[in-house]
Amino acid sequence: DQQVKQNSPSLSVQEGRISILNCDYTNSMFDYFLWYKKYPAEGPTFLISISSIKDKNEDGRFTVFLNKSAKHLSLHIVPSQPGDSAVYFCAAFRTGANNLFFGTGTRLTVIP
Amino acid sequence: NAGVMQNPRHLVRRRGQEARLRCSPMKGHSHVYWYRQLPEEGLKFMVYLQKENIIDESGMPKERFSAEFPKEGPSILRIQQVVRGDSAAYFCASSPGSGRLETQYFGPGTRLLVL
Repeated sequence: DQQVKQNSPSLSVQEGRISILNCDYTNSMFDYFLWYKKYPAEGPTFLISISSIKDKNEDGRFTVFLNKSAKHLSLHIVPSQPGDSAVYFCAAFRTGANNLFFGTGTRLTVIP
Repeated sequence: NAGVMQNPRHLVRRRGQEARLRCSPMKGHSHVYWYRQLPEEGLKFMVYLQKENIIDESGMPKERFSAEFPKEGPSILRIQQVVRGDSAAYFCASSPGSGRLETQYFGPGTRLLVL
C-alpha cells in the first residue's frame, strides 16, 4: 500500500531553470512532510520540510508547497544547478506514528 | 558533530549465513530507525528503537530479522539465514528526543548482497 507516490521517476532540467518535483499522498492523517535528497551510495539527506498548518515553506533556492485538499505537495528548485542532480524522495509523517512513509523517488538531472 | 554512522558500508554474504549491520546515531539522539530500500523502490520502515527498547517493529519481517539498541554501543540489525531477497540497502536514521520524531537524519547505509 503505497501511501506516498512520486509518479515521475525522472526529470531533466536545464541549468538555471526551475525544477518542479511532485508528490501525492493518500492518507489525510499525515501532518508533516519532508523532502530528502540522495546521491548514489549515500544516505538520504534532509532538505526541507513543511507542517500541514502551512501551505508554503522556503529555504534559499528550495520551496515546498502543500495543497492539503488535493493531497499534493511539490518541491521547487530555482535556479537549478548541476549539483542538484540526485534522487529526491518525498516523505510523510503522522503525529503518533513512529516512522516516515517514503515515495519511490524522482531522479533529477540538471543539464549544464 | 558526527552524523549517523553505519558499518559495514558493504556486506557480502552467502545464502544461509548471518548478516549483522551496525548503526551509531548522532550525538544526542536517542531514537533509532531502520529502513530497507529494495532496488528501484523507496525506503520502507522496518523498526523503531530507543535505548534498550523496541518501540515499533511493525515493518520487520516476522522471521529471521531482529534488532536491538543496547544501553551501550550501536544499534544492530541482525538477519539470520539470509536469502537472495534480502539483498538491499539498509539505512539507519536517528532523531532527537520525543517531539521531533519527524525529522530523521540518515546514515550512509549498508549495502547487503546475498550470493
